[in-house]
Amino acid sequence: QVQLVQSGAEVKNPGASVKVSCEASGYTFTNYAMHWVRQAPGQRLEWMGLINTGNGRTKYSQRFQGRVSITRDTSASTGYMELSSLGSEDTAVYYCAREFRVIPNFDYWGQGTLVTVSS
Amino acid sequence: QPALTQSASVSGSPGQSITISCTGTSSDIGGYNYVSWFQQHPGKAPKLMIYDVYERPSGVSDRFSGSKSGITASLTISGLQAEDEADYYCCSYAGSSTLVFGGGTRLTVL
Repeated sequence: QVQLVQSGAEVKNPGASVKVSCEASGYTFTNYAMHWVRQAPGQRLEWMGLINTGNGRTKYSQRFQGRVSITRDTSASTGYMELSSLGSEDTAVYYCAREFRVIPNFDYWGQGTLVTVSS
Repeated sequence: QPALTQSASVSGSPGQSITISCTGTSSDIGGYNYVSWFQQHPGKAPKLMIYDVYERPSGVSDRFSGSKSGITASLTISGLQAEDEADYYCCSYAGSSTLVFGGGTRLTVL
């Protein structure tokens, strides 16, 4: 069965970077794009960007452009999201999601990774 | 990209029907037939309930239905059940491989 398993919770200092992983199983990794979505406490879902897992091309939300980097390791069927220059407003649960056929059909989601930014 | 507009909350009694609206612009909802709806229970990952405006993924109850008119998409839940109580988010393709979510609507089953 399809699964997306994310790395564990992180606590970071302001100004640091965080890298979250998302390991896929149960399907051909390179056949489906992977997206990253975050949700601050009590707030709405917010799209961060995507990676075409086949050719590695990325697209980022303007809101995070220059601060986010989405990559993948096809040999490990794993996607990564790195966010730099963290501030308290980046405290959130970060999700990876598989795109089914077209945007925004996200049929499978990771369990979420809580990133806490605090000094 | 501003968020799509959803009412903050809606409520209904078991067995009733409710509709959640999601208003965007001609650059997102109005421009494409790619609208999805997600259900999210507290502390859980979102779940896809509707895609391509009105399509239901396998396993999703036919009590859930989607539609669109102009720049407004809608999710209707008929025969409300206690387990439907959750947050619901609309999401639309916004061109150039980008997308935008709605602000979310909290459904309370009375």
